[in-house]
Amino acid sequence: GAVVSQHPSWVICKSGTSVKIECRSLDFQATTMFWYRQFPKQSLMLMATSNEGSKATYEQGVEKDKFLINHASLTLSTLTVTSAHPEDSSFYICSAPWVGHNTEAFFGQGTRLTVV
Amino acid sequence: KQEVTQIPAALSVPEGENLVLNCSFTDSAIYNLQWFRQDPGKGLTSLLLIQSSQREQTSGRLNASLDKSSGRSTLYIAASQPGDSATYLCAVSGGNEKLTFGTGTRLTIIP
Repeated sequence: GAVVSQHPSWVICKSGTSVKIECRSLDFQATTMFWYRQFPKQSLMLMATSNEGSKATYEQGVEKDKFLINHASLTLSTLTVTSAHPEDSSFYICSAPWVGHNTEAFFGQGTRLTVV
Repeated sequence: KQEVTQIPAALSVPEGENLVLNCSFTDSAIYNLQWFRQDPGKGLTSLLLIQSSQREQTSGRLNASLDKSSGRSTLYIAASQPGDSATYLCAVSGGNEKLTFGTGTRLTIIP
């Protein structure tokens, strides 16, 4: 099946630093990818839509200057958490819909971010 | 605004039993519906996708049904095994590739 690879799977960083998370579609090209945040024992909250070759679209309440998204190619989107604070600690997951496969969504493994 | 609800929130059943997980959505104008499983601390694994024109999909011991007019989907798991223990999420797409997720059902299979 299609694979979406997310890296790193976990990261610990100091307050004030920036962290970059990568999301790659390995078996197909994705003009659109999605970034989610998940709090403990809760469902996924959509943060933003990553659009290849154009600006990302952010959901209401998500700070675009804090969560920078770059979709530089048809197989790679990156999420950079800038000036991270402890409240940014969370589980971040990306997904990519495979348009040629009934638009089935495939998800990365997730990244556990801990800001200390 | 689409809202997706899953009942029950948690379910424990003995190994070997068949079980049904429920998903309901408020706006029937969907493009497709997907069922996922999520293991603790992991990403989501796609289980089944049902197009809006379909009534059901099957994969191994899993069968998902869709009744778009009533806004309901069920995931049937036959002959449950301890390895089926996970959180199961349903999600609907309105055609713009965005998914609206349900609240999830945490399933525990008791050996």
